[in-house]
Amino acid sequence: ETGVTQSPTHLIKTRGQQVTLRCSSQSGHNTVSWYQQALGQGPQFIFQYYREEENGRGNFPPRFSGLQFPNYSSELNVNALELDDSALYLCASSSLLGPDTQYFGPGTRLTVL
Amino acid sequence: GENVEQHPSTLSVQEGDSAVIKCTYSDSASNYFPWYKQELGKGPQLIIDIRSNVGEKKDQRIAVTLNKTAKHFSLHITETQPEDSAVYFCAASRKTSYDKVIFGPGTSLSVIP
Repeated sequence: ETGVTQSPTHLIKTRGQQVTLRCSSQSGHNTVSWYQQALGQGPQFIFQYYREEENGRGNFPPRFSGLQFPNYSSELNVNALELDDSALYLCASSSLLGPDTQYFGPGTRLTVL
Repeated sequence: GENVEQHPSTLSVQEGDSAVIKCTYSDSASNYFPWYKQELGKGPQLIIDIRSNVGEKKDQRIAVTLNKTAKHFSLHITETQPEDSAVYFCAASRKTSYDKVIFGPGTSLSVIP
């Protein structure tokens, strides 16, 4: 176990709705990255948060947004859900100023109907 | 853009045999290459990593090799066991101001008892 926790484990939404996913980072880690993993594919980088600010972003539209809190936990928000947003959403924590190893949580399975 | 290719997509071996997974990357600035194992319903788990100043690294039954000139890296698992069955992802990243990790598409390994 990595110490990275995510909630909820599963979520079902309908197209057009909004969703918030949560992540608690491993103790001592100040950086959280979010990934989207579609079925049968590798994780795709969404963005990273460091010191409560977005610190890099992949090829995802602005309706994917996030927050990081002073305790380094993080939220991923997705607005105007589309069917293609159905995926496993993973967060990974790391220490930006230390070893660059990222440790992943178990993920949140989002289904958009 | 940045890309990581991975072969084979599926691999089936007899228990006790060796398994080899090969990856290539496109970003010549990549300097960190982790390998992740993902079991059904779980997040990716780091199993071994290698940095660009090292050509080979071994940890018990697992070894990785890196050829920076050819932009190739490989995972070798010896004496495979049924519990090695999972999806394996190679990945590449460069240590910049943020840790964007590019994943390969994955290899589904089945170890037949």
